[in-house]
Amino acid sequence: EAQVTQNPRYLITVTGKKLTVTCSQNMNHEYMSWYRQDPGLGLRQIYYSMNVEVTDKGDVPEGYKVSRKEKRNFPLILESPSPNQTSLYFCASSPGQGLSPLHFGNGTRLTVT
Amino acid sequence: AQSVAQPEDQVNVAEGNPLTVKCTYSVSGNPYLFWYVQYPNRGLQFLLKYITGDNLVKGSYGFEAEFNKSQTSFHLKKPSALVSDSALYFCAVRDIRQAGTALIFGKGTTLSVSS
Repeated sequence: EAQVTQNPRYLITVTGKKLTVTCSQNMNHEYMSWYRQDPGLGLRQIYYSMNVEVTDKGDVPEGYKVSRKEKRNFPLILESPSPNQTSLYFCASSPGQGLSPLHFGNGTRLTVT
Repeated sequence: AQSVAQPEDQVNVAEGNPLTVKCTYSVSGNPYLFWYVQYPNRGLQFLLKYITGDNLVKGSYGFEAEFNKSQTSFHLKKPSALVSDSALYFCAVRDIRQAGTALIFGKGTTLSVSS
């Protein structure tokens, strides 16, 4: 089944403790992206990747890192999480960035205390 | 700068009635427009898109959307709502001329269909 898989689905952590949210897609998509969803703000893009070893900042990149060493994987790294990063995170992919719709994972709900 | 507005936080309709979820956009060039739906505890699912051509676009689950360039709108519609249509709906836009830019999402509209 074609899908975008995020892990974990739920994560509770403390301020400053490094964490990684994994994202993997099995559709051979070139484009991958991370969004955060907050009430009243909709979805905002954190980082995106046009292809392997190519990443770029979205609208809200502060406090996050990403890597794209393989086409299928696009992990999101929080080196020193803070409470304002408590949010619902979505990974998405598409064959390209233009006309193709995004395929979303089921989300990771992160709580930073 | 690109932007999307969904003026209603919530839309309530009775089952069987037509529904409309509103979306207006702002881009400097021509737009790519999308509608996505989010069910509880799930990621967003693609419903339909407008690229060019016919202003009335048909999508999944009986939904359609009408592109109106003069009003810069892309309202989502369905002739007869179902209780199972209750979900969070997002409109999104990208400027065709600005390659490499993000898909900009609206804040979302919660659709509640009562039986």
